[in-house]
Amino acid sequence: DGGITQSPKYLFRKEGQNVTLSCEQNLNHDAMYWYRQDPGQGLRLIYYSQIVNDFQKGDIAEGYSVSREKKESFPLTVTSAQKNPTAFYLCASSKRGAVNPGELFFGEGSRLTVL
Amino acid sequence: QKEVEQNSGPLSVPEGAIASLNCTYSDRGSQSFFWYRQYSGKSPELIMSIYSNGDKEDGRFTAQLNKASQYVSLLIRDSQPSDSATYLCAVTVLIQGAQKLVFGQGTRLTINP
Repeated sequence: DGGITQSPKYLFRKEGQNVTLSCEQNLNHDAMYWYRQDPGQGLRLIYYSQIVNDFQKGDIAEGYSVSREKKESFPLTVTSAQKNPTAFYLCASSKRGAVNPGELFFGEGSRLTVL
Repeated sequence: QKEVEQNSGPLSVPEGAIASLNCTYSDRGSQSFFWYRQYSGKSPELIMSIYSNGDKEDGRFTAQLNKASQYVSLLIRDSQPSDSATYLCAVTVLIQGAQKLVFGQGTRLTINP
């Protein structure tokens, strides 16, 4: 079955630590995205990528970094520079591409808690 | 003004009734409109997309788009307890030459048996 796999589902981090969230898709989609969701709020775009080896900052990129070395993979690193990292992180992909985003397919999400 | 606005709710509807969810947007150039359903603790899933004025029906769901008034709505007929979720409206907004997807904050819907 095609889909998006995120890991880990739950992650606890001490302040000052970097953590990396994994996102893998086998939908053969070119565009991939990372969103952050805080309680009672909508989704905010962190980073997106249209093709391999290219990615763009979204609305809240500060304190985060990404890479896109393979079409299937788009990992997100939450660095110690992110002051309020506790949130629900969602990876998504789209067939139509980031410049004209269509329907998004989401992974199950990763819930990060800073202790 | 927020780019995409929804009433956060909660919206309570009795089972079997019609649930009506509304969304307004600020960019007249918006081209694509989506409704996502998100169960508590889960990721969003796409339930409807609409691209032109008028109604689009899919089973118990109907999306309505009015570009002149800049609103998009979602009707759920014969509401079931399983429809209880948060519904996110998403709209493409032209920013720096590219269409970007912007989400509203979501409306929490509760269907009461």
